[in-house]
Amino acid sequence: DTGVSQDPRHKITKRGQNVTFRCDPISEHNRLYWYRQTLGQGPEFLTYFQNEAQLEKSRLLSDRFSAERPKGSFSTLEIQRTEQGDSAMYLCASSLGTGAHEQFFGPGTRLTVL
Amino acid sequence: DAKTTQPNSMESNEEEPVHLPCNHSTISGTDYIHWYRQLPSQGPEYVIHGLTSNVNNRMASLAIAEDRKSSTLILHRATLRDAAVYYCILRLHYGGSQGNLIFGKGTKLSVKP
Repeated sequence: DTGVSQDPRHKITKRGQNVTFRCDPISEHNRLYWYRQTLGQGPEFLTYFQNEAQLEKSRLLSDRFSAERPKGSFSTLEIQRTEQGDSAMYLCASSLGTGAHEQFFGPGTRLTVL
Repeated sequence: DAKTTQPNSMESNEEEPVHLPCNHSTISGTDYIHWYRQLPSQGPEYVIHGLTSNVNNRMASLAIAEDRKSSTLILHRATLRDAAVYYCILRLHYGGSQGNLIFGKGTKLSVKP
């Protein structure tokens, strides 16, 4: 399968713990996006990368969140000192450039903070 | 960012056409109209996009009003697999924009057998 993959698919953690999610985009895609989706809402943009450079961060991304994309390939999203409000589906998408290029989404990582 | 308005939910019968409306009265001349859908427990997937002219692809058709203030996504024969949340999104296509998608709540389409 050459689509976007995310790992893990589900994560249950206790409040205060750190968690890290991984996204593997489609190999030739230079743009990678992270979104967060809570129940009943559409996905909300968090941040995006062009190659290895993180070019934009939403104000939703508090300083407990950090994202990296070393070497412009896979990306990780880390949440430190998780809170119950962080419980959501975290979606990764990739695209070939911007503009008209469609974004391809992964299946998401569902985070539950107890 | 320009905003879109969609009905919260719609129902359809299997094998019948479905017309999903979207209002975007504040659309600018540089905004493209994109549609994505999200099946249960999956990430969103691209459906179709257009600027001014009607568009067709293997999944759906997009009818754009002459004044571009509204559009309609048309599924010609709904199947049970088309049950999903459909999002209408306005998107800049300039090279300088970061290109992130701004989702609303979308329309939840139910398909009855």
